[in-house]
Amino acid sequence: AQSVTQPDIHITVSEGASLELRCNYSYGATPYLFWYVQSPGQGLQLLLKYFSGDTLVQGIKGFEAEFKRSQSSFNLRKPSVHWSDAAEYFCAVAHSGGYQKVTFGTGTKLQVIP
Amino acid sequence: KAGVTQTPRYLIKTRGQQVTLSCSPISGHRSVSWYQQTPGQGLQFLFEYFSETQRNKGNFPGRFSGRQFSNSRSEMNVSTLELGDSALYLCASGPGGSSTDTQYFGPGTRLTVL
Repeated sequence: AQSVTQPDIHITVSEGASLELRCNYSYGATPYLFWYVQSPGQGLQLLLKYFSGDTLVQGIKGFEAEFKRSQSSFNLRKPSVHWSDAAEYFCAVAHSGGYQKVTFGTGTKLQVIP
Repeated sequence: KAGVTQTPRYLIKTRGQQVTLSCSPISGHRSVSWYQQTPGQGLQFLFEYFSETQRNKGNFPGRFSGRQFSNSRSEMNVSTLELGDSALYLCASGPGGSSTDTQYFGPGTRLTVL
């Protein structure tokens, strides 16, 4: 069965510092991978996605993620964090099979300190 | 283009009652998925509808049901509410229902069961 693991529940970084959020997936075939962000009281916003091709994916708000098949990872990075990046981040894998169903990780809550 | 809208945004019910939540997808989108988000279980897939047909469902009891109308709007119903049904219910729409389509999420309906 497909699964997504986000090992870090909470992460605190200083504003201006770099950020890396970890994500590991378990999936039999080529995975379709996503990163979403959720601000308090809001729905989910897509940051970026990977289906195939270049393993380094650029997203919105200055985020990027790198797909590493050998490590079953899809880590999210940002070179310089802004206070507005404080939110919860979800890694997810889409199921193949002609329908839309996504399995989410448990999320990583990011705190940004001045 | 207007985003995904969900009504109502907040709802308070008591145990044993039933509730209906509504989701209007992005214009032109034909796939609507529903997710339940709780602090303990995270984001869990409820079901997905495409062209008025349920194509997939998650591991929820039969008290959770849904439907989709010809204009792609969707409703989710929960009967005989339990305290554990308190959650944020998120709806997501996608254009064609392909596994690789991006899902766009609404702001959610916060259901509180007393």
